[in-house]
Formats: sequence, structure tokens, C-alpha cells
Amino acid sequence: GQNIDQPTEMTATEGAIVQINCTYQTSGFNGLFWYQQHAGEAPTFLSYNVLDGLEEKGRFSSFLSRSKGYSYLLLKELQMKDSASYLCAVRDGAGSARQLTFGSGTQLTVLP
Amino acid sequence: DVKVTQSSRYLVKRTGEKVFLECVQDMDHENMFWYRQDPGLGLRLIYFSYDVKMKEKGDIPEGYSVSREKKERFSLILESASTNQTSMYLCASSLTGDRNNSPLHFGNGTRLTVT
Repeated sequence: GQNIDQPTEMTATEGAIVQINCTYQTSGFNGLFWYQQHAGEAPTFLSYNVLDGLEEKGRFSSFLSRSKGYSYLLLKELQMKDSASYLCAVRDGAGSARQLTFGSGTQLTVLP
Repeated sequence: DVKVTQSSRYLVKRTGEKVFLECVQDMDHENMFWYRQDPGLGLRLIYFSYDVKMKEKGDIPEGYSVSREKKERFSLILESASTNQTSMYLCASSLTGDRNNSPLHFGNGTRLTVT
């Protein structure tokens, strides 16, 4: 089976840096995704990692260690609009038709 | 931009009713998915389809069925709605199966309440 863990809630201050961790135990591995979901809206794609290391995209970066079953999403220069739920998801098999398994999400609150 | 459109934003149905949730995508994606999202449980996969008339069960298919008669449309059916099916339902689509990095594109969701 699949098991994906991430913290339920985090709070940070505008302008700061926050790291959201995700650990996973899956029967296979073909990539890890991070999504952002604002309240009442659809999840939107942020990043994808399949090899170990850091992927940077503007203020957002995502890191993967396959041997440790661990990823994190790093948000820099936090803005109020970054308040949202952040979802970690793992693709277990080959090909995009294979399902993604999602964590429960981390609700990030950015305070002024 | 990919657009995934779900026919209803909010639905209220009675226990025992048959419920249809419709989803249409406009980017010729082969793969389509139905998830439900509940507090503390995250997104859970109900069914997915990788081609017209093809379907596969996800993690929680019980009480649901699906239909994919056309490539752009994927319907979720609750044969006899029950109160434990009150939830947010999210439809998603993605590109073809050779691409591991193809992300899911989600619709805005249908909040279903069964009374």
C-alpha cells in the first residue's frame, strides 16, 4: 500500500522562508508532485521531482531523496497569497495513467 | 491553458437518488480521473480512465460507477446516494501514458451534499 505523511498545519510570517516536508512509503516510485490548493478552488500543479536533488522554480523549490522516501517544498519570500493547502502526491507506476496517491495536505497560514 | 469543467459547483440530493457528476476537458487528454476530497483524508481516487470506454478502479470505488463514452467526457455515477458520499468531488485529466511527469489538471470541484 501507499503511505504519505505531511504536517497538518504550519504558520509562517510574510517575507519568511518555510519548508513543508513529505515522507512516503510506496510500493513503486515514478515521481513526486506538489500541488497548491486555495480554499474552495482546484489544486494547481507546482512541481515535479523524479531524480534526487533540488528543482527550483522562482520562489518555490522542491527537493527529493528517493533513498529516504523524503521530499520538501521550500517557499521563499512568503506572501499573503501563499496561504493555502499544499499537497504532496506520489506516482507509483509507470506512465501518467498510473494513479497519484495524495497526502492529506499541509495548511499553510501566512501572517502579516 | 487546459480547462477541466465540472457541470455543477454545488449539488444537494436525497438519500437513494441516482446522481450524475459530469466532467469535460478540452485538451484531448487520454487520462481522466475522479477523486473525492474529505478533511483529514486528502484526495482519494475513485475511478480513472485511460481511454474511451476503458475504466479502472481506484482506491475507493464502492458505491460509484463511471462512464467514458467520449474522450473529452468522464461521468461519475452514484447509483443510490448515501449520506457518507457527502464530499467534494474533483475531476482531473492528464496527457498520455508514456509521460511520467504529466501533471493532473483539476476541475473546480462539485460539493455534493446527500441528505
